[in-house]
Amino acid sequence: GESVGLHLPTLSVQEGDNSIINCAYSNSASDYFIWYKQESGKGPQFIIDIRSNMDKRQGQRVTVLLNKTVKHLSLQIAATQPGDSAVYFCAENRRVQGAQKLVFGQGTRLTINP
Amino acid sequence: ETGVTQTPRHLVMGMTNKKSLKCEQHLGHNAMYWYKQSAKKPLELMFVYSLEERVENNSVPSRFSPECPNSSHLFLHLHTLQPEDSALYLCASSLRGGGTEAFFGQGTRLTVV
Repeated sequence: GESVGLHLPTLSVQEGDNSIINCAYSNSASDYFIWYKQESGKGPQFIIDIRSNMDKRQGQRVTVLLNKTVKHLSLQIAATQPGDSAVYFCAENRRVQGAQKLVFGQGTRLTINP
Repeated sequence: ETGVTQTPRHLVMGMTNKKSLKCEQHLGHNAMYWYKQSAKKPLELMFVYSLEERVENNSVPSRFSPECPNSSHLFLHLHTLQPEDSALYLCASSLRGGGTEAFFGQGTRLTVV
């Protein structure tokens, strides 16, 4: 199937805490995944990606974990800041005649409480 | 600023109007995309262009007509739209070949009255 799903539509965390956003995908053949952040009034912004030959990838304050056995993806944000408040989307990247087809999940709205 | 520019940012049009959305990128990408983002729905892929050739039309009604005159520009021509077509329309671009992230524009907020 083509579904990419998210476990929770909203998440609230205290400033400074760590947050974890989860995502489930259904296509076991998918080999590339992306996390996007979308702030109000803006387009989705790339955060981090991971290929299926990896289990973990780290960026600046963000870590993506991939569990292919259960088809699960997570985004960890360390020491959250007010600027992290946004909607986060996971996307499954498929190919269509050389280009790419991003299948997005519903999105999780992350709210950082002061 | 992602390098993908969409105009206009906001558009209000009547159901009998004809308008066009424009997208421009100077990132050296050779694939471009139109997405629709409605409230409470995931981003929906509408069209994919690879090397200026349309490679995917995701069951989009004919009242939406895309055009890709070159690798840097993408248009979405709109005519006789319905109120339910009101949404945020996002353009994205990437390198052809897969396995790299797509860069999105800020979107055009379309309201059909």
